[in-house]
Amino acid sequence: GAVVSQHPSWVICKSGTSVKIECRSLDFQATTMFWYRQFPKQSLMLMATSNEGSKATYEQGVEKDKFLINHASLTLSTLTVTSAHPEDSSFYICSAPQASGGAGQYFGPGTRLTVT
Amino acid sequence: GENVEQHPSTLSVQEGDSAVIKCTYSDSASNYFPWYKQELGKRPQLIIDIRSNVGEKKDQRIAVTLNKTAKHFSLHITETQPEDSAVYFCARAKGFQKLVFGTGTRLLVSP
Repeated sequence: GAVVSQHPSWVICKSGTSVKIECRSLDFQATTMFWYRQFPKQSLMLMATSNEGSKATYEQGVEKDKFLINHASLTLSTLTVTSAHPEDSSFYICSAPQASGGAGQYFGPGTRLTVT
Repeated sequence: GENVEQHPSTLSVQEGDSAVIKCTYSDSASNYFPWYKQELGKRPQLIIDIRSNVGEKKDQRIAVTLNKTAKHFSLHITETQPEDSAVYFCARAKGFQKLVFGTGTRLLVSP
């Protein structure tokens, strides 16, 4: 089946620094990818929709200048958390829609971000 | 219209019992309803899904029912096993668009 990878799987950074998370579709092309954030013991909340070749669409309440999304190719979307703070510590998961015939999503393994 | 309510938040059963988790939604345009199992620190894993043109779907010990009129759908797990213990999320979507997740149910199956 199709595979979505994320890198890094976990990262620890100091407050005020920026962190980049990569999401790759390994054996298929994805013009759209989704970025979710999951705090401990909570549900997955959609942050933004990443669109290849155009600007990302952010959900209400998500700061687009803080969470920069770049979908530069059909297999790669990146999420950069700028000026990270401890409250940004979370589990970040990306997903890509299945090809035609299904409405499901392929999820990446997630990235655990800890900001100290 | 966005949210999906999910109940119960926690569910403890004995091995071999059945478990039922229910979700309600309000967006009548939703046409895809997946259920995910998530273990600690892992990605959500699709266990079963249903489209709006179907009322019930079954896969071995797992079944999902959908009531479009009442806007609710349920996950049924029969003959539960300890390895079924995890957090389960329902979700809804319109076609290929974004998934909106329920609040999650922590299922604990005791041997």
